[in-house]
Amino acid sequence: ETGVTQSPTHLIKTRGQQVTLRCSSQSGHNTVSWYQQALGQGPQFIFQYYREEENGRGNFPPRFSGLQFPNYSSELNVNALELDDSALYLCASSSKGSGYGYTFGSGTRLTVV
Amino acid sequence: GENVEQHPSTLSVQEGDSAVIKCTYSDSASNYFPWYKQELGKRPQLIIDIRSNVGEKKDQRIAVTLNKTAKHFSLHITETQPEDSAVYFCAASAHNYGQNFVFGPGTRLSVLP
Repeated sequence: ETGVTQSPTHLIKTRGQQVTLRCSSQSGHNTVSWYQQALGQGPQFIFQYYREEENGRGNFPPRFSGLQFPNYSSELNVNALELDDSALYLCASSSKGSGYGYTFGSGTRLTVV
Repeated sequence: GENVEQHPSTLSVQEGDSAVIKCTYSDSASNYFPWYKQELGKRPQLIIDIRSNVGEKKDQRIAVTLNKTAKHFSLHITETQPEDSAVYFCAASAHNYGQNFVFGPGTRLSVLP
């Protein structure tokens, strides 16, 4: 059984640029959720994808968007980067209906300068 | 929406002592409460969870209690060890399927040798 993998592990971008983060879900998991974790804070829910459709969204602006592919992997896209977007972005996969908590990936550390 | 508070924000205990972290939630529809441990630079790891139809759950040195009426739940760690030092996050979800967690702000636990 493979775990959740995220790429890249670290990224530095300039304000105004766009970024794409990637996540491969754990084997057998069909639901992917994305979280933003600012330094010293708990993870904040961005959105969730299930069967290639957005299945819930947190309080994030439309410049945060995502995709889920038929193999259940997912992308998080952020346009017009702002300094406050600097954070650890965590992907979590789950099997809808399993009743168990998420399996988190190791995250992508995004720094916006 | 759901709001999760967590106390204390920092906690120092002597090795071998017990540690207790408390969380409160606001949404009475929440029915699943996981706890995550996050070591520096690493992903959050699920350590224990509890569902709303259970008042207490124990796993070796870790236990969680839930009071649905008061809308609070607590993590208890007994016989603490230096490797228990980490940031602990509680979370609440209104779904059984690991969706859309609202996390508390975290507690930094330091176990002093």
